[in-house]
Amino acid sequence: DAGVTQSPTHLIKTRGQQVTLRCSPKSGHDTVSWYQQALGQGPQFIFQYYEEEERQRGNFPDRFSGHQFPNYSSELNVNALLLGDSALYLCASSFLNGRAFDEKLFFGSGTQLSVL
Amino acid sequence: AQTVTQSQPEMSVQEAETVTLSCTYDTSESDYYLFWYKQPPSRQMILVIRQEAYKQQNATENRFSVNFQKAAKSFSLKISDSQLGDAAMYFCAYRSASGAGNNRKLIWGLGTSLAVNP
Repeated sequence: DAGVTQSPTHLIKTRGQQVTLRCSPKSGHDTVSWYQQALGQGPQFIFQYYEEEERQRGNFPDRFSGHQFPNYSSELNVNALLLGDSALYLCASSFLNGRAFDEKLFFGSGTQLSVL
Repeated sequence: AQTVTQSQPEMSVQEAETVTLSCTYDTSESDYYLFWYKQPPSRQMILVIRQEAYKQQNATENRFSVNFQKAAKSFSLKISDSQLGDAAMYFCAYRSASGAGNNRKLIWGLGTSLAVNP
């Protein structure tokens, strides 16, 4: 049983470019959350997708957008990249199925984004 | 707004010894979850242990246990019989259990880097 898979593992972009990160959730999971982890920091919540809709969003600008597909996989898009967007981007999946609070998150190994 | 504080940036322990990692948090809510996650060099966050605030009994998972002090807003992690594979970053995290299911985000501390010496 594959866990949460993220691609690519590493990415180098320049300022002003756009980037798309991908996440496939653990088999049987229906919810995907994205986190940004800057060097030496704890992760920061970006947003969560369930039933192909953004259900909750953290304090990130509109340059950060996402999508969830019918197979529950998800993409994180970042436009107009800034140097400060350099970070590890973690995807986490869980099984919600209408239950609000008892979610156990499974994380991928992340995408390391470097903006030059 | 809720906050999570880990005051120990780095800790070390001898193999087979016991170590305790500290975490404090601030919240006005009464119902919430607390977590300890481990992040090894592979970067994947791995859940170590979870505590529900309404449960007075401290959670335990094999060699890992917590000391949950709700009134003091303290949530420490004790690792017994430390092993080389326990070396990693450890993060404390908080999640609200209120808000009709809308508060699904985890709020994280800055982490504690644990070294295990042979």
